[in-house]
Amino acid sequence: QQQVRQSSQSLTVWEGETAILNCSYENSAFDYFPWYQQFPGEGPALLIAIRSVSDKKEDGRFTIFFNKREKNLSLHIKDSQPGDSATYFCAARGASGGNYKPTFGKGTSLVVHP
Amino acid sequence: NSKVIQTPRYLVKGQGQKAKMRCIPEKGHPVVFWYQQNKNNEFKFLINFQNQEVLQQIDMTEKRFSAECPSNSPCSLEIQSSEAGDSALYLCASSLFGDEQYFGPGTRLTVL
Repeated sequence: QQQVRQSSQSLTVWEGETAILNCSYENSAFDYFPWYQQFPGEGPALLIAIRSVSDKKEDGRFTIFFNKREKNLSLHIKDSQPGDSATYFCAARGASGGNYKPTFGKGTSLVVHP
Repeated sequence: NSKVIQTPRYLVKGQGQKAKMRCIPEKGHPVVFWYQQNKNNEFKFLINFQNQEVLQQIDMTEKRFSAECPSNSPCSLEIQSSEAGDSALYLCASSLFGDEQYFGPGTRLTVL
């Protein structure tokens, strides 16, 4: 049973467009949702995160929109650049404590064409 | 940029051999996680520590896998008898409070 689901395995956009990556989850107890960016040959890097008390989190070109009732969230990458081409992972962690293990989605591979 | 150090970056072992990898967490981070990322990019949580104490671990790690985070030494993950299915990227992440995890570059294990 996949608790965190990323709806697209891959996504292709043109430079300058807004890339939208979707994620949904099943466990209502999840309360912290980080997104990670991973380039080939590297470890994931924390990109942006949101807590379930908020419905939006923005950091530069990256915005998370969160819908607690629908149990889904999306990462918007505005003005996509070729350098944004990477795999993006949505994750979720429960409220059992900060040290509780997160659950990761299977990732969305984003390609931004110049 | 993450300052988690993982060594070695690449590890090649034969089946049945021991494989050991190390992780130095970011300075001041008491929480350490180990994950296995397979060729399909799927993450599998293995174990996590707070300081030297194990917080959670999956059943798999109780058999062929062992891990420790001794004080004043790197954390380590060891596979006692490697199997082909263990070939993966092993990722270490550290955290101050457990929310924001900072990953190292990983150790790519290939079991022949």
